[in-house]
Formats: sequence, structure tokens, C-alpha cells
Amino acid sequence: DAGVIQSPRHEVTEMGQEVTLRCKPISGHNSLFWYRQTMMRGLELLIYFNNNVPIDDSGMPEDRFSAKMPNASFSTLKIQPSEPRDSAVYFCASSLKGEQFFGPGTRLTVL
Amino acid sequence: AQSVTQLGSHVSVSEGALVLLRCNYSSSVPPYLFWYVQYPNQGLQLLLKYTTGATLVKGINGFEAEFKKSETSFHLTKPSAHMSDAAEYFCAVTFASGAGSYQLTFGKGTKLSVIP
Repeated sequence: DAGVIQSPRHEVTEMGQEVTLRCKPISGHNSLFWYRQTMMRGLELLIYFNNNVPIDDSGMPEDRFSAKMPNASFSTLKIQPSEPRDSAVYFCASSLKGEQFFGPGTRLTVL
Repeated sequence: AQSVTQLGSHVSVSEGALVLLRCNYSSSVPPYLFWYVQYPNQGLQLLLKYTTGATLVKGINGFEAEFKKSETSFHLTKPSAHMSDAAEYFCAVTFASGAGSYQLTFGKGTKLSVIP
């Protein structure tokens, strides 16, 4: 099993640009989670899906953030427009029953 | 509501010494409990988990944890620290959040340093 796959691994962009992060969950898992990790705030849950349906997006910081899961094998997290304070590592995780498996993360730097 | 408290954001131990990382939880229903480890510049990796049954659970790399319901604790231990154990450790509790999904609540993490 390849595990959770995230792309890109690193992204450097300029303020105001659109950023799209991608995630492929483990096959057969029915829940998908997007997290953000920073030194100041630690690990924060942004949004999660169950069976491709968004269940809780209360962690999404602003309307600039949006997430989709068009099918069971793909999800995106989009930031438009990006700001320097969005710089962080973004993790995707998938699970079947409780135990979550994390991807390697995308390190986003917004200049 | 569920919550997790990890005592000590930083813990330093000497190589070969006992590692003890503390975790207390609150949960209104029987919890599933997890310890994750994060090495620098990597994602979180599951160390061990408690669901039901034996309260002493063993994980990878010689770590173990004991579920103590009366103390609402799930402390992580390792008899002898190795340099490679230096990482950040997260305790987490899960609960069913409806519609067949399970959401993890994480502690704030404990950074373990191992002194040669």
C-alpha cells in the first residue's frame, strides 16, 4: 500500500496567488482529514469528509480556504488568495475506523 | 466533549534512561486512544493504540502505554531512550462524530530530546 499521497511536497508562492494542495487517501478508507501545522498553533483540523461529504469545516480559517472531495480517491484544499500567514505544513490523513494515517505533508511558503 | 492534555511541551532524557510522556484525557464515552510520533520534516506515524481489551499496549520501537480508566491516563513509556527517539509525540483520543465517522482530538504534543 502506498499510503496517503500528497502533492506537491513543497510549494513556494507569492501573496495573492492561488494555491491548490492535493491528496490521495488510502484505498478503502471512508474518511479524509485536512490539518494545518504551525509552530505557533500546533496541529489544527481544518475540515474532514466522510464518504466524500464534508462533515465539519469549522476549522477552515476563512472563506479564502475551500476543500473538495469529488470522489473517494482524491481531495483538494485550495487557498485563494494566499497570504503570508497561510505558510504552514498541511497534512492530509485518511481513516476507516478511528486510526488515521497521515500523508507526508505539503510545506507551503507564501512570500 | 473530548479533550487531551499532555503534560510538558518539552522533555529531555539521557540516552539509556526511562522515557515517560504523560497524557490525560476526558471523554464521555469509552475512548479509543492513540500515540503518534512525528520526526522532523515528516508526517505523523502511529506508535500504538488502545481500543478494547488489554490495557497495556505495545507499539513500535519499544514503546508501550497503559490505559488507566480510573486515572483517565494513557502515559507513554520506553525503558531505555535511544538517540533516534528524539521527535515530537502526540496523544490523541477518538470518538464517533456521527454519520459513521471518527474524529481525532490531539494533544498539543511533547517534544522529546535525548541527551548523549
